[in-house]
Amino acid sequence: GAGVSQSPSNKVTEKGKDVELRCDPISGHTALYWYRQSLGQGLEFLIYFQGNSAPDKSGLPSDRFSAERTGGSVSTLTIQRTQQEDSAVYLCASSLGWATEAFFGQGTRLTVV
Amino acid sequence: AQTVTQSQPEMSVQEAETVTLSCTYDTSESDYYLFWYKQPPSRQMILVIRQEAYKQQNATENRFSVNFQKAAKSFSLKISDSQLGDAAMYFCAYRSAQAAGNKLTFGGGTRVLVKP
Repeated sequence: GAGVSQSPSNKVTEKGKDVELRCDPISGHTALYWYRQSLGQGLEFLIYFQGNSAPDKSGLPSDRFSAERTGGSVSTLTIQRTQQEDSAVYLCASSLGWATEAFFGQGTRLTVV
Repeated sequence: AQTVTQSQPEMSVQEAETVTLSCTYDTSESDYYLFWYKQPPSRQMILVIRQEAYKQQNATENRFSVNFQKAAKSFSLKISDSQLGDAAMYFCAYRSAQAAGNKLTFGGGTRVLVKP
């Protein structure tokens, strides 16, 4: 596609439910990032995939959060047993390589009620 | 670990005037990249300008320019001839030039308001 695509655009879920957020990076981009942006805040790094290397998971806030990237392309961020503090915008970005600029999707706004 | 600080939560500018946004960072590395991203209400982060640390010349993109002071670890963004469409959140970001740990680290953001 022309840009990074994220789905769904908005998601409302009940506390305790699991959610999956999807990211389709720009074709050919080897690097993929997930960030979380709470209301009025900056971007908090979650996880980074680069090619076939082991992902950098150092930003995942708890073991309820996990992500995978299948075939070096599409990525899914999974949040298990959602809590109200998980409510935020989840942004995905991709880049051609580790040294080039990152392009962002429009994010998924997650609301846990 | 690298940190990025934006000390101005909000800046206001009159249309057609100039505004400067501050950014400082902390790193022990000598080679890295710095970025300014714009985030309008649509939520999508848009790259405004980038600077390679090894380049002494300040980057410029149309009405946007930076003042990169490597020794002071400062990277400010100047928006000239401000337009209503410039109103947004602006984030400064740091990225290592080393392959390992190559994630983007962002500052807390500065909201820019443009008065007509």
